[in-house]
Amino acid sequence: DGGITQSPKYLFRKEGQNVTLSCEQNLNHDAMYWYRQDPGQGLRLIYYSQIVNDFQKGDIAEGYSVSREKKESFPLTVTSAQKNPTAFYLCASSADSGRANYGYTFGSGTRLTVV
Amino acid sequence: AQSVTQLGSHVSVSEGALVLLRCNYSSSVPPYLFWYVQYPNQGLQLLLKYTTGATLVKGINGFEAEFKKSETSFHLTKPSAHMSDAAEYFCAVSPNTGNQFYFGTGTSLTVIP
Repeated sequence: DGGITQSPKYLFRKEGQNVTLSCEQNLNHDAMYWYRQDPGQGLRLIYYSQIVNDFQKGDIAEGYSVSREKKESFPLTVTSAQKNPTAFYLCASSADSGRANYGYTFGSGTRLTVV
Repeated sequence: AQSVTQLGSHVSVSEGALVLLRCNYSSSVPPYLFWYVQYPNQGLQLLLKYTTGATLVKGINGFEAEFKKSETSFHLTKPSAHMSDAAEYFCAVSPNTGNQFYFGTGTSLTVIP
């Protein structure tokens, strides 16, 4: 079955450490997105990519970095510059980078905790 | 700019009662409209969407929503709540050009036995 796979499901980070969250899709979708979810704040866009080798900052990109070397993969690195990284991270994809009427397909999320 | 308002961060209903979750948007032109459901520690699942055509949209699990342009609303309803409906619900909008989504802050639905 096609879908989006996020790994790991749970991740613990020490202070000052960089960690990378994986997002892989086999839907042949052009566009991919990373969202951060905090209680009571909904979803906030971190980065998005509409095509391979190109990505754009979202609303809260500081302290995060991404790459899009393959259509299927869009990993997110949470750097030590992100002062409050504890959150639930969601990856999503959509079929057409130019139109939103298809909606997004979401992965099952990664819960990151700073220890 | 787009924005989405979900009235009520927490809604409680009795099992078998009507579910009504409110969503209003601000946009100069009618956008695409979506409702998503999220169960604990899981991703978001599409419930239903409105793009064009009939303004009453039916989705999965017995949910439906009606697009009312004059009220800039897209409220989600279900005639009879089931225990399995307990989850977080997100309304989202997107302009009908471009691929950016704007999510509401979510409504947590509790179903009381």
